[in-house]
Amino acid sequence: DIQMTQSPSSLSASVGGRVTITCRASQSISIYLNWYQQKPGKAPKLLIYAASSLQSGVPSRFSGSGSGTDFTLTISSLQPEDFATYYCQQTFSTLYTFGQGTKLEIK
Amino acid sequence: EVQLVESGGGLVQPGGSLRLSCAASGFTFSSYSMNWVRQAPGKGLEWVSYISSSSTTIFYADSVKGRFTISRDNAKNSLYLQMNSLRDEDTAVYYCARDSRIVAAGRYYYGMDVWGQGTTVTVSS
Repeated sequence: DIQMTQSPSSLSASVGGRVTITCRASQSISIYLNWYQQKPGKAPKLLIYAASSLQSGVPSRFSGSGSGTDFTLTISSLQPEDFATYYCQQTFSTLYTFGQGTKLEIK
Repeated sequence: EVQLVESGGGLVQPGGSLRLSCAASGFTFSSYSMNWVRQAPGKGLEWVSYISSSSTTIFYADSVKGRFTISRDNAKNSLYLQMNSLRDEDTAVYYCARDSRIVAAGRYYYGMDVWGQGTTVTVSS
């Protein structure tokens, strides 16, 4: 199975700030990489697919990049509603796998 | 409104069985592949199983292979997960999620773009 490793596991930032979350795959997955946002007690929400394409309705302050094994999710100009947990997911293999998550907290 | 609603969760003893259901509405269910994803208390997301739109292709995570069975009834717009030989570590919120095929740069990519609210399964004696 393809293992997905996110870093950091948690981070704190201020409203208006900028953060970057990294996701590394155990083998090359081209750009078959999605990012999800999950708030406590809620279902995950698809933010970015194909590594850098923004899902409909997602604010442009979210952006993704990368290919192969290394990917990043960047959130610029953090808003209060962005404080949540973020997961990467690979769909290169038919056995989908998620990263362990990155919890973004308010500083 | 596009919607997925799970049901069937509950408390079950180790070794027991449970069948989860997911009712779809607001979209052409028969055109989409579907997934089950679970989340243990305080833990991250774990993909559990996938079924193609016509049920011809099915995959399972190693952790549930041989114990869980995914199925669907397109006439009833419903997805199911039969869970047998349940273990303590199967305790989780179980989500059904639509697997959407998205075109980008001339290729198809896949993402789970619609999720249910989840149903809780607790395995405990």
